[in-house]
Amino acid sequence: DIQMTQSPSTLSASVGDRVTITCRASQSISSWLAWYQQKPGKAPKLLIYKASSLESGVPSRFSGSGSGTEFTLTISSLQPDDFATYYCQQYNSYTWTFGQGTKVEIK
Amino acid sequence: QVQLVESGGGLVKPGGSLRLSCAASGFTFSDYYMSWIRQAPGKGLEWVSYISSSGSTIYYADSVKGRFTISRDNAKNSLYLQMNSLRAEDTAVYYCARAPHGFLEWFRHWGQGTLVTVSS
Repeated sequence: DIQMTQSPSTLSASVGDRVTITCRASQSISSWLAWYQQKPGKAPKLLIYKASSLESGVPSRFSGSGSGTEFTLTISSLQPDDFATYYCQQYNSYTWTFGQGTKVEIK
Repeated sequence: QVQLVESGGGLVKPGGSLRLSCAASGFTFSDYYMSWIRQAPGKGLEWVSYISSSGSTIYYADSVKGRFTISRDNAKNSLYLQMNSLRAEDTAVYYCARAPHGFLEWFRHWGQGTLVTVSS
């Protein structure tokens, strides 16, 4: 099975900071990677799909890049609403695997 | 708009059974692939099971294979998860999730979740 490793697990940042979260796959997944944002008590929200495509309605400060085994989610200027936990998710042969999550906290 | 509403969660003893339901509205349910995804308290997300639009193709995570059964009733716009031989480690919020039309690789719409607690 493909394992997904996110780093860091926790990130402390200030409003206005540029934030980057990394996700590594244990084997190549081409561009079959998505990113989600989850706030406490809520369902995850799709931000990015196919590694770099921005979901409709998601602010343009969110961007995704990468292919193969290494992927990044970047928030260009962190806003108060962005403090949350972020998950990457891969798809391969009818198996879906999530990273362990990155919690973005207020510094 | 798209709505997914889970129900059926609750407290069950180890070894017991529970059936979750997900009522779908706001879209043509029979056109979409569906999945169940769970999240243990304070933990990350874990995909549980997938079912194709017609119900003919089904997959399970190894952790639930042989114990859980996914199904759907397209006439009732509903998705189900029959959970048998429940274990403490099955305690989680269970979400139903829908992929975008024609895709199955990611999840665009999620329900609010239903909590399953397995404890004696």
